[in-house]
Amino acid sequence: DAGVTQSPTHLIKTRGQQVTLRCSPKSGHDTVSWYQQALGQGPQFIFQYYEEEERQRGNFPDRFSGHQFPNYSSELNVNALLLGDSALYLCASSLRTGRSEQYFGPGTRLTVT
Amino acid sequence: AQKVTQAQTEISVVEKEDVTLDCVYETRDTTYYLFWYKQPPSGELVFLIRRNSFDEQNEISGRYSWNFQKSTSSFNFTITASQVVDSAVYFCALGLNTGFQKLVFGTGTRLLVSP
Repeated sequence: DAGVTQSPTHLIKTRGQQVTLRCSPKSGHDTVSWYQQALGQGPQFIFQYYEEEERQRGNFPDRFSGHQFPNYSSELNVNALLLGDSALYLCASSLRTGRSEQYFGPGTRLTVT
Repeated sequence: AQKVTQAQTEISVVEKEDVTLDCVYETRDTTYYLFWYKQPPSGELVFLIRRNSFDEQNEISGRYSWNFQKSTSSFNFTITASQVVDSAVYFCALGLNTGFQKLVFGTGTRLLVSP
């Protein structure tokens, strides 16, 4: 049973550039959430997708956008990168029904220089 | 507003010692969920337990146990007879019973278990 997978593992970008991170949910899961974890901090909720629509959003600017595909996989896009966007980006999948726990992927480490 | 506080930034113990990680939460919701996750150096958050606000029974799973006290808004985690493999950052999280659940995390407690 494949768990949550994310790509790429590491990424280095320059200020002002754009980046796309990818996530495949755990088999059977239909909801994907994205979190940003700065060094030494707890994960912060960015947004959540279900049925290809953004259902909830945390306190992040519009530079952060996402997409969910019919196969439930998801992308996180960040435009006009800032140094402060450097973080570990975690994807979590869950089942919409039953208030299930969220299972996390290994994350993508983004460094903005 | 929802908030999770993990006051212990770092704890160091020697193998076989018992250790308790504290978690205090704030929410005005009457229905909510509490979680503990483990984050080893690899970075992946590993799910440990979920508790809903209506179930105050303590739970034990092997060397792990959890103490949920609604009266003090606490959900503490105890590791009995700690092992080196327990070294990690542990996060407590609050999940709200909205239509789509998002998690609010604490800042984590780094546990170092030395041989």
